[in-house]
Amino acid sequence: DAKTTQPPSMDCAEGRAANLPCNHSTISGNEYVYWYRQIHSQGPQYIIHGLKNNETNEMASLIITEDRKSSTLILPHATLRDTAVYYCIVRVNNAGNMLTFGGGTRLMVKP
Amino acid sequence: DSGVTQTPKHLITATGQRVTLRCSPRSGDLSVYWYQQSLDQGLQFLIQYYNGEERAKGNILERFSAQQFPDLHSELNLSSLELGDSALYFCASSAPGAGDTQYFGPGTRLTVL
Repeated sequence: DAKTTQPPSMDCAEGRAANLPCNHSTISGNEYVYWYRQIHSQGPQYIIHGLKNNETNEMASLIITEDRKSSTLILPHATLRDTAVYYCIVRVNNAGNMLTFGGGTRLMVKP
Repeated sequence: DSGVTQTPKHLITATGQRVTLRCSPRSGDLSVYWYQQSLDQGLQFLIQYYNGEERAKGNILERFSAQQFPDLHSELNLSSLELGDSALYFCASSAPGAGDTQYFGPGTRLTVL
């Protein structure tokens, strides 16, 4: 699976949009971009994933650049409960293979 | 709530002992994955089972073993425990044909004294 690079930490004001970047310059054509988050020591929570088109669900939006070498996870109105470590992972889909977690981005949402 | 359950939530034991962690996947999911999260290593994949068969292995120690039963629940057995085995152990499950998105349980916190 391709390697990803994320900033180690970010701050965001409550109510504002949180934009979390991820670089994956060596991504292959059949690799998807997945985002998970881990709040404190809870189990990682699936957020969203995509291949090349932008995706949106009830939690977040995922914007993938046209060359697919980077992506941004957007939390439109961050709340204090969104404080967590966010992991960007690229992997082949439907392969049954494991998730490779990097260091992630520690997002702190401040009042 | 992801639908994946893990028991026990907490486990405290002594070095040299053996423990069993249990995971029940989401209804309909055939794959179960085990991950370890320690302070210095981050989240590391241990092993995957698919419909009762071992599918993939990560950096799992020989002292650790797992199995998946006919009802699809899985158990992770840790033996000859060492202080360094203290960690959070997470189980995840996924369904075939659903993009293989993995959903994680709440974890078991193992403390080896």
